[in-house]
Amino acid sequence: AQRVTQPEKLLSVFKGAPVELKCNYSYSGSPELFWYVQYSRQRLQLLLRHISRESIKGFTADLNKGETSFHLKKPFAQEEDSAMYYCALPTGANNLFFGTGTRLTVIP
Amino acid sequence: ETGVTQSPTHLIKTRGQQVTLRCSSQSGHNTVSWYQQALGQGPQFIFQYYREEENGRGNFPPRFSGLQFPNYSSELNVNALELDDSALYLCASSRDLVSTDTQYFGPGTRLTVL
Repeated sequence: AQRVTQPEKLLSVFKGAPVELKCNYSYSGSPELFWYVQYSRQRLQLLLRHISRESIKGFTADLNKGETSFHLKKPFAQEEDSAMYYCALPTGANNLFFGTGTRLTVIP
Repeated sequence: ETGVTQSPTHLIKTRGQQVTLRCSSQSGHNTVSWYQQALGQGPQFIFQYYREEENGRGNFPPRFSGLQFPNYSSELNVNALELDDSALYLCASSRDLVSTDTQYFGPGTRLTVL
């Protein structure tokens, strides 16, 4: 079955420290993976997608097919990065299977 | 820019009642998806509509139904409400059915079933 797993519900890091939010997936084929973010009192929004190979707000994510992972990384965390982060995998024609999310807190 | 709106913001119902939630997609977006987000969980796919026809369904019973209208609005209807239906309901619109299309989410409707 297609699914994503985010093993950490909560993650706290100090400002300026590196951050890595873990995502593992189960998918037969070449997956297209996304990271969505929800800042406090804001709606869920796309942060980045695997296919674009882009860096958004300093975040990057590399697809590792051997480890079936799509971890989200940022070398230096900022306070404004504090949010809820969801890894997501398309399971059909543009509908998404979301992980349970990781709440990132960046400590000043 | 996200132009997806949802109404109402909050809703309280009792078990056995019926509820209709509404969503207005971004203009030009032919696809709308509905998700249920229980407390502490990620959004879970309910169903999707494309050009007014259901195009996919998650693991939800038939008492969850929907409609999509030509004016980019849509509805989620839930009959015979159960306590476990208490959740945040999100709609998301996208341009078409391409899996890499960005989905734009609304702010959600929080439903409480007593």
